[in-house]
Amino acid sequence: DTGVSQNPRHKITKRGQNVTFRCDPISEHNRLYWYRQTLGQGPEFLTYFQNEAQLEKSRLLSDRFSAERPKGSFSTLEIQRTEQGDSAMYLCASSFSGSGETQYFGPGTRLLVL
Amino acid sequence: AQTVTQSQPEMSVQEAETVTLSCTYDTSESDYYLFWYKQPPSRQMILVIRQEAYKQQNATENRFSVNFQKAAKSFSLKISDSQLGDAAMYFCPATNRDDKIIFGKGTRLHILP
Repeated sequence: DTGVSQNPRHKITKRGQNVTFRCDPISEHNRLYWYRQTLGQGPEFLTYFQNEAQLEKSRLLSDRFSAERPKGSFSTLEIQRTEQGDSAMYLCASSFSGSGETQYFGPGTRLLVL
Repeated sequence: AQTVTQSQPEMSVQEAETVTLSCTYDTSESDYYLFWYKQPPSRQMILVIRQEAYKQQNATENRFSVNFQKAAKSFSLKISDSQLGDAAMYFCPATNRDDKIIFGKGTRLHILP
């Protein structure tokens, strides 16, 4: 297994454009998490899935953000009408379900909104 | 709600020496788990060590060990024989049974050759 992968690794976009990121978790993992990390800060939880069900969304996740995991495998995170404040690293992690399972992180997608 | 505090924004240690990174947390949960992750300059988060709160024995992983003081809600990481590759941001997130990880602001560790 090659671990959690994310694409693209970098994305530069103009304010107002839509962007979509993809995360491929470790294949046996049924949980998938999205986090956002700004410079000098720790990651902040956005949302997570167990299989295809989205179980929780942070209040940080405005209406412009939507995440899907249609077949319980890969997930996409879409940001509509991007704003400069959306510039950040978007991290994906996956794990088995169960209490205290270790989350394995991908390399992240760095978004820059001009 | 859970919170995690890392009071040392930056630390430096001489190569081959020992360094301890501190972490305190606050939770009302009785069942929770604590982790230390490192994030090197390439920015992929890597698990260093994991501790179940119900276990009294401190976790150890090669050169990395923790000092878990449950009553004090303290969870420090000791790195022995520091190596240049240990240079990174270190985070000590906590998670409860819902598995939502709460991160602090991290500690940047510099290794001096």
